[in-house]
This record gives sequence, structure tokens and C-alpha cells, in this order.
Amino acid sequence: DAGITQSPRHKVTETGTPVTLRCHQTENHRYMYWYRQDPGHGLRLIHYSYGVKDTDKGEVSDGYSVSRSKTEDFLLTLESATSSQTSVYFCAIDMRGGAIPGELFFGEGSRLTVL
Amino acid sequence: KNEVEQSPQNLTAQEGEFITINCSYSVGISALHWLQQHPGGGIVSLFMLSSGKKKHGRLIATINIQEKHSSLHITASHPRDSAVYICAVREFGNEKLTFGTGTRLTIIP
Repeated sequence: DAGITQSPRHKVTETGTPVTLRCHQTENHRYMYWYRQDPGHGLRLIHYSYGVKDTDKGEVSDGYSVSRSKTEDFLLTLESATSSQTSVYFCAIDMRGGAIPGELFFGEGSRLTVL
Repeated sequence: KNEVEQSPQNLTAQEGEFITINCSYSVGISALHWLQQHPGGGIVSLFMLSSGKKKHGRLIATINIQEKHSSLHITASHPRDSAVYICAVREFGNEKLTFGTGTRLTIIP
């Protein structure tokens, strides 16, 4: 168990408001990812991080920003939420020991509804 | 662009049946993952494969790198196996995974 928690688990907000989702791990895994899951689509990568202050964009990064100031926390921010960002968001970590990618471990998911 | 196709999209079977779920992809990969997601639930990693075959309990995963194809088998299926099974592939030198849209499996008692 990689000890990964997401917060909040559920959130309802209004269009135009900022939202921050938090992913917290209890171990020191370098690689962390934010995905969104929508009906009819596979999981899609929003942003990922390969270390403190090292982040990169995924395939659906528009409208999202991330920060990683500590190894254990990876924050996903919607600066101005839109209805198209209604989704379930999953954080994941790569449990690699070195350079070779390893098993994935996912958080429980955060369900965001933007009205 | 890597395309990941899973088949079937939906599968309903009787308890005890042997189940096969397929995953095909279009580019060379360094690893393939099989994931399980129960209704309303989180996502659990079942296998990570780069070649050959792996077995864990009643689950078996195989991969054929030359044919760009993987299968997930479930022997002696049980209602608790009802879930969405997701295939994901990682291209060489790429941190980004490409996910299939999943196979929804329902096992009827």
C-alpha cells in the first residue's frame, strides 16, 4: 500500500471559482500523476511530476495547473472552473525504484461537479 | 499517436466461466498495465507486463510484443470479479500512459 490519499473526495462548485485538489503520499515516490476520467474516454493525463518543482503537461492540461513544493504533496488547481471540468480526478504514483517505470498506485478519486 | 483498443467493451458471463479480455495497441511499448475498477470505486493495479505471462491467483495476463496484443484471463469467474478492466500502455521513453476505455465485466451468480 503506497499510502496515497486525495482530498476532497467530493466537491460541488460554481463556474468561475478556483478549485484545488490535493494528492498526498506517505512514501517518497518521485513520479506522481493527475488524471481525469470521463464516460467514453480512457483515463487522460492532465499533468505529472517527476520531483519537487519538476512538472510537465499531459494531453489535457488546458485550464489546469499543478504544484509540487514537497515530495509528498501534488496539487491540482483549476484557476476558474468550467462545466467541462466536471469529472472524476485520480491521482497516481509510479512505484519505481529507479529509472525503470514500476507499478501504478491510484488514489480513491475526487468527484468534482461544476455547476 | 498510440491507440489502445479493448475488446469486448461489455461482457456478461455466468459464475464459473473462463473470461478473456483483449487489448491491442499500435506502437512499441516498454510496459503494459492491467487495472481493475469496481463500480464507484478506485483503481487497482493488477499486472504490469513487458513480456511473457504473469499469474496472480485466478488472474492470468499475457502479452505478445510482436503482435502488439495482450490478454487478461480470469479462471473460475466469481461475481466479485464484476468490474471494469482497463488496459494501459507506456511507450518507450515516454512517461505518459495511454489508456483503453475499459471492458465492463458482469458475472452473474
